[in-house]
Amino acid sequence: SQQGEEDPQALSIQEGENATMNCSYKTSINNLQWYRQNSGRGLVHLILIRSNEREKHSGRLRVTLDTSKKSSSLLITASRAADTASYFCARNEAEDSSYKLIFGSGTRLLVRP
Amino acid sequence: DTGVSQDPRHKITKRGQNVTFRCDPISEHNRLYWYRQTLGQGPEFLTYFQNEAQLEKSRLLSDRFSAERPKGSFSTLEIQRTEQGDSAMYLCASSLAGFAGTGELFFGEGSRLTVL
Repeated sequence: SQQGEEDPQALSIQEGENATMNCSYKTSINNLQWYRQNSGRGLVHLILIRSNEREKHSGRLRVTLDTSKKSSSLLITASRAADTASYFCARNEAEDSSYKLIFGSGTRLLVRP
Repeated sequence: DTGVSQDPRHKITKRGQNVTFRCDPISEHNRLYWYRQTLGQGPEFLTYFQNEAQLEKSRLLSDRFSAERPKGSFSTLEIQRTEQGDSAMYLCASSLAGFAGTGELFFGEGSRLTVL
């Protein structure tokens, strides 16, 4: 399988709480990206973190990357019902001239109002 | 710039029929990707074009699948002799190569195929 591992597979939280999703992989990477997908729709890019970066912020999103552990996490703070979606990590593998992304299996987030 | 567009959004066909999907990428993007996504899974890479050249194909892309990108603009993905296992969402994405590119992929809304 092309896919990396994401954890948890599903997450249900109350509005206002924080949501943390984790992603692990096995190869060397150029960068790791997080995408969001609403049911039946295309994917929307959220944030990109390069292999020489450890942490990145964008609004209510915080992404960390630990290349020694080959893992990343996405934190969504102060969640809203509109954050309900599937979230995917995707890696761009080192020495891949196509710059394609290899996606994880995703975390399905439900934010209860 | 209207983003990446895909057509049709939904296609229902009978087993054994041929289907074709079209993708119009963002106009200045020179890279184009096709992915397949089944229910509850992440997208799986199928193939990649740089301009009009198809440079990589996944082993998931059996000989019943063919993709083209004439003139480096829109792309088509054709599936011949469809099987029920081909039922999935087919996603197209584009990106800009080189230093001007950010590394992110821009996805269309997908074409959902149901094979009866």
